[in-house]
Amino acid sequence: AQKVTQAQTEISVVEKEDVTLDCVYETRDTTYYLFWYKQPPSGELVFLIRRNSFDEQNEISGRYSWNFQKSTSSFNFTITASQVVDSAVYFCALSEAGNTDKLIFGTGTRLQVFP
Amino acid sequence: EAGVTQFPSHSVIEKGQTVTLRCDPISGHDNLYWYRRVMGKEIKFLLHFVKESKQDESGMPNNRFLAERTGGTYSTLKVQPAELEDSGVYFCASSSDRAEQYFGPGTRLTVT
Repeated sequence: AQKVTQAQTEISVVEKEDVTLDCVYETRDTTYYLFWYKQPPSGELVFLIRRNSFDEQNEISGRYSWNFQKSTSSFNFTITASQVVDSAVYFCALSEAGNTDKLIFGTGTRLQVFP
Repeated sequence: EAGVTQFPSHSVIEKGQTVTLRCDPISGHDNLYWYRRVMGKEIKFLLHFVKESKQDESGMPNNRFLAERTGGTYSTLKVQPAELEDSGVYFCASSSDRAEQYFGPGTRLTVT
């Protein structure tokens, strides 16, 4: 069965600290996609990244980086030098290639960055 | 380019009443999805339209929920009659060609 686990319910950091949000997934498919979305206080879900299961290269985008490890079924998200504007709920999600693209979400991690 | 829009942003109704939520996808996106997040739980898939056809409605909880997408543009999700457990945030998303899904701001439904 497909499942996404975000064990960290809430994380609090002080500005400029680095923070890593964990995501562990379960799937029987060999082809799948992993996503991260950000939900700021305004409520919408903002797409951050999509990776396919055949691309294990880590990705960096500004202060954001993602570490995809198939061996541990993890797709962790690190924010370097966090800022107050990073405060949001972050969702990790999985979709399977042959499954109509529906996203299976984790329960989300609330990140609070204090000045 | 306008993003996904949803209306209303918030709805408060009594148990037994009917509510209709609307989603306008990004122009040109054939794929439209409905999800919902019940308090404290994960966001769950409800259904997927490709143009006006229901591609997958496996997540619809019961027959009190009816989704339509006439003409393949905007979509509506009707809950009739609403129950207390239907309270939550209903998200709509759209995508083109199985790419990333772009979400709207959600409709917060409160059933009292």
